[in-house]
Amino acid sequence: QVQVVESGGGVVQPGGSVRLSCAASGFIFNKHGIHWVRQAPGKGLEWVAFIRYDGINKYYADSVRGRFTISRDNSNNTLFLQMNSLRTEDTAVYYCAKNRETYYDSSPFDIWGQGTMVTVSS
Amino acid sequence: EIVLTQSPATLSLSPGERATLSCRASQSVSDYLAWYQQKPGQAPRLLIYDASNRATGIPARVSGSGSGTDFTLTISSLEPEDFAVYYCQQRRNWPLTFGGGTKVEI
Repeated sequence: QVQVVESGGGVVQPGGSVRLSCAASGFIFNKHGIHWVRQAPGKGLEWVAFIRYDGINKYYADSVRGRFTISRDNSNNTLFLQMNSLRTEDTAVYYCAKNRETYYDSSPFDIWGQGTMVTVSS
Repeated sequence: EIVLTQSPATLSLSPGERATLSCRASQSVSDYLAWYQQKPGQAPRLLIYDASNRATGIPARVSGSGSGTDFTLTISSLEPEDFAVYYCQQRRNWPLTFGGGTKVEI
């Protein structure tokens, strides 16, 4: 079935780094843009970053631009989020979410993973 | 950045009642608005896209309407599984943004 599965979360100190992964299956990965969305404990959803199907276009939320880098490996159907200079306010569950439509940058998110928790704490 | 304001923050209803949720955008998003449902401990699920189109597997009791800056999600007769938090999201402009959510509680 169509699914995405995140991994790589954990506890990291402020100023530290972590790399999240999102493994995709059940759909043609290199035809869909993919996003990272996060949710702080007890809070709402916040869009974090997007990468186009071919990896050329990337967009970031102001809150993470310059610290986070989104990338993808289409040969292995995997999405990444490199998170540097982490702050306590980056503590959240991080979801990857697939675009519903092929090739479009902007599209509804039709498949979400279960998320991976990142806790930034000393 | 387009700000989405959802109201009310909490909606207290009983099974069988009608739920009407509102989402207002700070500027026009045309019909590029989606609704998601999230239950505790679960990932969000797409309900409605492009303001009024039901996603795959979403029952007919769930409907969306609106365009421009004012949107509504309606659940015509609440089932027990409908009690959850609902978010609207715009894809008209980057950065993509979500509303703050409406909790539908029993």
